Amino acid sequence: DQQVKQNSPSLSVQEGRISILNCDYTNSMFDYFLWYKKYPAEGPTFLISISSIKDKNEDGRFTVFLNKSAKHLSLHIVPSQPGDSAVYFCAAIYNNNDMRFGAGTRLTVKP
Amino acid sequence: EAGVAQSPRYKIIEKRQSVAFWCNPISGHATLYWYQQILGQGPKLLIQFQNNGVVDDSQLPKDRFSAERLKGVDSTLKIQPAKLEDSAVYLCASSRSRTDTQYFGPGTRLTVL
Repeated sequence: DQQVKQNSPSLSVQEGRISILNCDYTNSMFDYFLWYKKYPAEGPTFLISISSIKDKNEDGRFTVFLNKSAKHLSLHIVPSQPGDSAVYFCAAIYNNNDMRFGAGTRLTVKP
Repeated sequence: EAGVAQSPRYKIIEKRQSVAFWCNPISGHATLYWYQQILGQGPKLLIQFQNNGVVDDSQLPKDRFSAERLKGVDSTLKIQPAKLEDSAVYLCASSRSRTDTQYFGPGTRLTVL
């Protein structure tokens, strides 16, 4: 039951350019969405979140957009930096913090 | 503030053996989660505790997996007996409450041979 999907396993961008990571979901009961970042040999680290009542949330270089009608969210990183190279997981929550994750997208930012 | 601690970081066992993982959540966090992350997939929730009570264990393979959080602080996850398909990273996370952000430990990488 893959309720959260990240269809791009990898993404490569040039330093200074925009990185756009995409995520689709199927369960309309999800009411909160998060992005986690994961470096090798470490656990996922919370990055940014958005409630289903909003369509945009911004935190510094990171912006998350939510399109409920399309069941789609995206993470924009502007400008991208080499230190942003990591695996990014999209996650969605319903029913008291029952969190479902996508498979992740490996972002590589080239200097 | 210290993060979520997990041990061991790595474990290699033969199939049919038993193994246990330990997690110490962030101080004051009432909710504790165990996730299984198979290579190439996102983390999958196995069990959620609120203090020392189980909130959700619907995805825990109860014939071989067990978990406890006896004093409402640290927790152990056990697999007995292990199968090849149990090879994964086991992540522990904690949050202040069931509606707060989850913070993850570094995980335990289990290899079953």
